[in-house]
Parts: sequence; structure tokens; C-alpha cells
Amino acid sequence: DAKTTQPPSMDCAEGRAANLPCNHSTISGNEYVYWYRQIHSQGPQYIIHGLKNNETNEMASLIITEDRKSSTLILPHATLRDTAVYYCIPRRGQFYFGTGTSLTVIP
Amino acid sequence: DTAVSQTPKYLVTQMGNDKSIKCEQNLGHDTMYWYKQDSKKFLKIMFSYNNKELIINETVPNRFSPKSPDKAHLNLHINSLELGDSAVYFCASSPRTSGRGYTQYFGPGTRLTVL
Repeated sequence: DAKTTQPPSMDCAEGRAANLPCNHSTISGNEYVYWYRQIHSQGPQYIIHGLKNNETNEMASLIITEDRKSSTLILPHATLRDTAVYYCIPRRGQFYFGTGTSLTVIP
Repeated sequence: DTAVSQTPKYLVTQMGNDKSIKCEQNLGHDTMYWYKQDSKKFLKIMFSYNNKELIINETVPNRFSPKSPDKAHLNLHINSLELGDSAVYFCASSPRTSGRGYTQYFGPGTRLTVL
């Protein structure tokens, strides 16, 4: 499975878009990119996933570069409840959670 | 209705005891998992079960034994508990083990404290 690099922490003003980057330069052609988040003390929550094309759902948008070596999760209008640790997981075998990005949404 | 549920939510016990954590999913999924999240917040997979059959065991001590009475349940039994077993244990399930159907849905976690 591909290794990932995410910034350890980010801040975002409430109501603004939060853009969370992930580098997965060793990703292979059949590995999906999954994004999960973990709000303090809760179970990880699925957000979105994609293979090649950009994806959007009610929670977020996922932008995957053409070479698939990086992706960006976009929360269009961050709220205080979006404060969490966000994990980017390229997946071919099992899920391996890294250290993620701790996003703090500031009032 | 809760999709993936775990009981108990908190478990405090003495070293050397045997304990079980239960997990149930009502999503009709074929595959269930157990994860451990330690004090440093690293989340690691322990077991994966597909249709009641163990398909992965990630170098977990044999004091840990998963038991799946049916497709909707995956319980975790721990013998001779040690201090290092203190952690939060998460159960998860997914429709299948590959492709787009792999999305995993997690339970709320069980916080185990060994004294």
C-alpha cells in the first residue's frame, strides 16, 4: 500500500472552505484514495473516496491530480463540528491509518 | 438505528482477567474488522473476518481471539489481560473486501482500561 504525507495540523475559519492536502506519490493504479475523519473519542467516519475522477458528495469534494500522486479533500463551508483528525488512505489491501491532519475550525 | 454497535462502551478490569467485547452490525455486510487505537492515537487493524472466516490477523498476540457466531456479529475475547492492552477498540464492517464496496463503517469504540 502507498505511503501518505499529510500536514500534521491546520486551522480554518468557520464558514470558509477547508482544503486538506495529501501526498501519495507511490500510489498504484488500482488503489482507491479514501478519506476518513475521527472526531474526538468517536469511531472513524467515512467521508469520500475516489480512483481517478474528482468526486463530490454531501460532505465534501475530493480532487485527485491527473498523475494520482496527490489529492485534496475540500470541506466547502467548515463548521465547528468539522474539527477532527482527517486521514487520507490509499487502499489496495487493508486500511492503514497514518497520523492524519488535525483540523481545527476557528469561530 | 445504529449501524455498527459495540458493547460495552467502557470496560475497566484487573490485570490477568479475561474479558469480551461485542460487536454487531445491521448493514448486511459480509466483512467485519477489529482495530486497536493506542494512547498515541495510532489506529491499527487487528483482525478481519469475511462470512465468519478469519482472513487477516495482523501479528496480534494469541491472547486475543475473535469469534464470529454469525455474519452480523464479531466479538473480541481477550485472555490474561495486560496493562498494554489498555486502548480503544473499534469494530468496523464493509460490504466486501475489495473494489468500490470496501468502504468501512466503524462502531463507537470500547475504551478498555487494565489496572
